[in-house]
Amino acid sequence: SQKIEQNSEALNIQEGKTATLTCNYTNYSPAYLQWYRQDPGRGPVFLLLIRENEKEKRKERLKVTFDTTLKQTLFHITASQPADSATYLCALSNTGNQFYFGTGTSLTVIP
Amino acid sequence: KAGVTQTPRYLIKTRGQQVTLSCSPISGHRSVSWYQQTPGQGLQFLFEYFSETQRNKGNFPGRFSGRQFSNSRSEMNVSTLELGDSALYLCASSSAPGPGNTEAFFGQGTRLTVV
Repeated sequence: SQKIEQNSEALNIQEGKTATLTCNYTNYSPAYLQWYRQDPGRGPVFLLLIRENEKEKRKERLKVTFDTTLKQTLFHITASQPADSATYLCALSNTGNQFYFGTGTSLTVIP
Repeated sequence: KAGVTQTPRYLIKTRGQQVTLSCSPISGHRSVSWYQQTPGQGLQFLFEYFSETQRNKGNFPGRFSGRQFSNSRSEMNVSTLELGDSALYLCASSSAPGPGNTEAFFGQGTRLTVV
């Protein structure tokens, strides 16, 4: 089965800086990669989806990249704000439609 | 439009009992998938239903089952509960069959505690 590792359990950054979260996977290259945000006591909220034939996807202050050679996806939040503080989950699926989530990175943006 | 609704929000059950959780998807969504979230294992995919048919299944024992009704509402059942089944159970709905290849909208979850 697929194994996913998110770079760290917790990440603290200063407001206004760019936060970069890493997600590495083993085995086969996924067909789709997704990033979700989860706040305490709530379900995950979809942020971005990137397909295996795409290198980069952007949405407002968010950017995700997909490097099949490194078996890695990077998630960037530019001009970070305290309201961006949350746990961020990466998730991947293959064409066989198994869906795997990372354990998440807790981001804290310090004012 | 209304989001994904899960009931109940909290549940306490005794080992050996069974439990049924309910999920009402966003209106018009025909795909419902279920997940278990625990501090140790994180978020794990249980199964997905689309148009009343189970399309995909994660690596969970047969004690975990589900079904979907013609109005797309879905139920998940866990029989012979074990202490390790204590978790947050989340469902998500999508407009197209997946999971993982399209945006999923999650509910707030049902917190199940097995004592």
